[in-house]
Amino acid sequence: NAGVTQTPKFQVLKTGQSMTLQCAQDMNHEYMSWYRQDPGMGLRLIHYSVGAGITDQGEVPNGYNVSRSTTEDFPLRLLSAAPSQTSVYFCASSYVDRGVDEQFFGPGTRLTVL
Amino acid sequence: GESVGLHLPTLSVQEGDNSIINCAYSNSASDYFIWYKQESGKGPQFIIDIRSNMDKRQGQRVTVLLNKTVKHLSLQIAATQPGDSAVYFCAENSGGYNKLIFGAGTRLAVHP
Repeated sequence: NAGVTQTPKFQVLKTGQSMTLQCAQDMNHEYMSWYRQDPGMGLRLIHYSVGAGITDQGEVPNGYNVSRSTTEDFPLRLLSAAPSQTSVYFCASSYVDRGVDEQFFGPGTRLTVL
Repeated sequence: GESVGLHLPTLSVQEGDNSIINCAYSNSASDYFIWYKQESGKGPQFIIDIRSNMDKRQGQRVTVLLNKTVKHLSLQIAATQPGDSAVYFCAENSGGYNKLIFGAGTRLAVHP
């Protein structure tokens, strides 16, 4: 199993540009989530999904959109990037009956918005 | 508001010594706690967890202690090795998929 994969590893955007961060998992996990990690702070939940077609907001959802058309993929969209979105983004997945108890994290995407 | 914090931002230990990383939490409704290890350039990796109906849980070379009276959580690593060098996060869950709160992390540096 590849586990949780994220692409790209690094990205630089200009303010106002849009992009999609990709996340995929091959463990047939129902639950998937996106976090951002900023220096000196813990991970904060952006959006999460408990299955295909079901998404919900986390702690810091503003400026981000998600969709879940398949069990495997959970892309995160930035519609109009802002410098405040400079961060490291992590995707995670787990079985829904485990919830956040046993999440597997991807390697992260480091995003810089100029 | 609810918060999870760590007492020390950096912990330096000698190889072979035991390490203790501490964490304070403020939400008395939290019933599940997790420790993660994050190596440079990688995502967090689950180490060990503990539920609020326990006060101690042991894994391989790691032990988590929970003191609900003072809302304190600790991770003990026995015979610390260079490969243990990383940032360690505690997290608390008060229930629900959107209720997992992470601490800022403690960096563990292991010296030969």
